[in-house]
Amino acid sequence: DIQMTQSPSSLSASVGDRVTITCRASQGISNSLAWYQQKPGKAPKLLLYAASRLESGVPSRFSGSGSGTDYTLTISSLQPEDFATYYCQQYYSTPFFGPGTKVDIK
Amino acid sequence: EVQLVESGGGLVQPGGSLRLSCAASGFTFSSYSMNWVRQAPGKGLEWVSYISSSSSTIYYADSVKGRFTISRDNAKNSLYLQMNSLRAEDTAVYYCARDLGELELPLLGYWGQGTLVTVSS
Repeated sequence: DIQMTQSPSSLSASVGDRVTITCRASQGISNSLAWYQQKPGKAPKLLLYAASRLESGVPSRFSGSGSGTDYTLTISSLQPEDFATYYCQQYYSTPFFGPGTKVDIK
Repeated sequence: EVQLVESGGGLVQPGGSLRLSCAASGFTFSSYSMNWVRQAPGKGLEWVSYISSSSSTIYYADSVKGRFTISRDNAKNSLYLQMNSLRAEDTAVYYCARDLGELELPLLGYWGQGTLVTVSS
């Protein structure tokens, strides 16, 4: 199984901040990496897939990068609606999610 | 509009069984692979099971292998999860989720609202 780790586990930020979340796979996953956003009491929402492809309707302030085992989600200018928990997921093999990163208000 | 509606959750005793259903609409159900994902209270997401569009390929998480069975009925646009020998650690909200595109990949583009399963005596 290919396990996923994320860092940080939580962060506090202000509106307008640039936020970066890192995800690492236990072995190479050939960009088969997705990012999801989840708000309390709601189902997760797909933000990006194939490491850097923005899902339809997702604001362009979200971007993804990386290769091999290391991947990054960046929010260029944090908006009030972006306070949520973010999960990475590899779909290269049997799917695994990262443990999540909670982004809250500073 | 893609809609996924889960049902069948509830309170069950340890060792008991439960069958979850997911009713799909707004797309050609038989063309897409489907998944079950769960989330224990206050915890992160855990992928549970995958089934390809034709049911020819099925995968399970190690934590449920041998106890849970995923299936689908393309004629009824429905996905199922038969859960046997339930344990307290199976307590979670269970989501059904559809592949983003007709790629037969566990890339979860659309999600239902979830159904809560509570395993407790």
